[in-house]
Amino acid sequence: QQQVKQSPQSLIVQKGGISIINCAYENTAFDYFPWYQQFPGKGPALLIAIRPDVSEKKEGRFTISFNKSAKQFSLHIMDSQPGDSATYFCAARIIQGAQKLVFGQGTRLTINP
Amino acid sequence: DTGVSQDPRHKITKRGQNVTFRCDPISEHNRLYWYRQTLGQGPEFLTYFQNEAQLEKSRLLSDRFSAERPKGSFSTLEIQRTEQGDSAMYLCASRPAGVSSYNEQFFGPGTRLTVL
Repeated sequence: QQQVKQSPQSLIVQKGGISIINCAYENTAFDYFPWYQQFPGKGPALLIAIRPDVSEKKEGRFTISFNKSAKQFSLHIMDSQPGDSATYFCAARIIQGAQKLVFGQGTRLTINP
Repeated sequence: DTGVSQDPRHKITKRGQNVTFRCDPISEHNRLYWYRQTLGQGPEFLTYFQNEAQLEKSRLLSDRFSAERPKGSFSTLEIQRTEQGDSAMYLCASRPAGVSSYNEQFFGPGTRLTVL
């Protein structure tokens, strides 16, 4: 079964705090793990992505940590800002065929000012 | 704007009617995807085109759904005899060709369908 499980469903963080969203996958036929950010009424936009041969990737305030043996990866948002309030989706890309994305259920993040 | 565009942005229809959505991918992107997103869930894959060829379809794509990509440019997704369960956001994404297997998928703004 090609599934990606994401938690928590919703998260409230104070401005300046660290937001952490976790994902786990069951199938090993994935070769690329992106995180998408989605604002209401908009399509998902790529935030940051990681390959399975890397344990961590940092871009500005956003960091992905990847644990291949545990089949888990997480997004950390440092110094969270009200503008970060959005829904975040982790995803995993299937190696073969269409190389389609399998998405987690999403996390609604709210940053309180 | 050189991103993926979708039309219409919103569609309200009555059960049993047919609807058609259009997606214009980023120029020169030869790969095109359709996804469906229901409220509170992540997008789910529907179908994939490489140029004009439809190479993969999800089991979610019942026989009431048909997608085309004539000439390998824009794509249309048609739903016949709509049902209330078809209410969702329909997202289109495109991806460039090339040797890098890590090319990202760029999503459009989506078409929100409401079936009454």
